[in-house]
Amino acid sequence: AQSVAQPEDQVNVAEGNPLTVKCTYSVSGNPYLFWYVQYPNRGLQFLLKYITGDNLVKGSYGFEAEFNKSQTSFHLKKPSALVSDSALYFCAVRDSSNTDKLIFGTGTRLQVFP
Amino acid sequence: DAGVIQSPRHEVTEMGQEVTLRCKPISGHDYLFWYRQTMMRGLELLIYFNNNVPIDDSGMPEDRFSAKMPNASFSTLKIQPSEPRDSAVYFCASSFYGGRAREQYFGPGTRLTVT
Repeated sequence: AQSVAQPEDQVNVAEGNPLTVKCTYSVSGNPYLFWYVQYPNRGLQFLLKYITGDNLVKGSYGFEAEFNKSQTSFHLKKPSALVSDSALYFCAVRDSSNTDKLIFGTGTRLQVFP
Repeated sequence: DAGVIQSPRHEVTEMGQEVTLRCKPISGHDYLFWYRQTMMRGLELLIYFNNNVPIDDSGMPEDRFSAKMPNASFSTLKIQPSEPRDSAVYFCASSFYGGRAREQYFGPGTRLTVT
């Protein structure tokens, strides 16, 4: 069965510092991996995805994520955090051999302090 | 592109009343998903459609919930009768079968409060 784990409920980082939001996954086939961001009182917004190819994927707002097959991880990163990055971040996975359902993690709240 | 449109944005109703949530997917998208988000349970997939046909409704909590998609540009999620535990934010999302990995685009959500 597919699953996604986001081990941290909250990540705190100072503005200007690099940030990492962790995600690990489990699928039976090749994974398709996604990151979404949710700002207060808004729907989820797509940030980036990994399908195949380069393990480092670049997305919106300066975010990037690194796919690591051996560690079954897809951590979200940004070199320099902004206060406006404070939001709820969701990792999601779809099995390439499965249907169209995305399995979402429980979310990680990112708090960037000035 | 207007994005996914949901209405109403907020709904407050009394226990036992019927509630209907509406969704208009992005034009040209052929998949539509209904999710529910609560603090306790996080984001749950309730049901999804492909070309207006329900594919997987295993996430629908019970018979009080029903969803329809009469055409490619409209879907409803109905709760009858509603209960306080149905209070949540309900999201609609759509996607397009254009390749191997299709991201979903979410609407702004409907915040449902059942008193």
